[in-house]
Amino acid sequence: GAGVSQSPSNKVTEKGKDVELRCDPISGHTALYWYRQSLGQGLEFLIYFQGNSAPDKSGLPSDRFSAERTGGSVSTLTIQRTQQEDSAVYLCASSSGGLAGDTQYFGPGTRLTVL
Amino acid sequence: QKEVEQNSGPLSVPEGAIASLNCTYSDRVSQSFFWYRQYSGKSPELIMSIYSNGDKEDGRFTAQLNKASQYVSLLIRDSQPSDSATYLCAVRRYSSASKIIFGSGTRLSIRP
Repeated sequence: GAGVSQSPSNKVTEKGKDVELRCDPISGHTALYWYRQSLGQGLEFLIYFQGNSAPDKSGLPSDRFSAERTGGSVSTLTIQRTQQEDSAVYLCASSSGGLAGDTQYFGPGTRLTVL
Repeated sequence: QKEVEQNSGPLSVPEGAIASLNCTYSDRVSQSFFWYRQYSGKSPELIMSIYSNGDKEDGRFTAQLNKASQYVSLLIRDSQPSDSATYLCAVRRYSSASKIIFGSGTRLSIRP
């Protein structure tokens, strides 16, 4: 089947605008992760959804960031009042959600540029 | 202290030699460990996962885990130019409700 998809692939916005980033996980995967990767840096954890459990939001850098996952499938990451420091590649990953052997499959990412 | 630490490199290794990549983690209850490879401009892809102390081999790759010392390493034998990439170490607690944390990655360069 299809892998993880993300849209848009690129987003250029002006400082202060709101943006929405979308992630479509692999069908049947119960776990979904959002990460942020700045140029030349590692992956910064943002938020984790597992089935019907309350999401782990411990990585969200500020209250301008929020995410939801509707129907246990598609997820949307929203950044309000964007700032230049929000510029990065936003990666989504999904996994089967098992306790071990939890391989993450990554989408191609959304490159966000805040002018 | 970062939860997962890696030397950022770059690590330069001659073609055909063994590349050794190291990672330390701070949470003693961590149970699942992963190595991902990321080519420039691409998304990470899983190379190996390891859960028990000792070595795990898969082709030219060997992952080594030492929970007492809280480190995990990746060896790449017979290094090829196509192995040039950033290698990311990731760690997870043994819980279905726990997140996976990545290190900042080690940039590996295989010189011909």
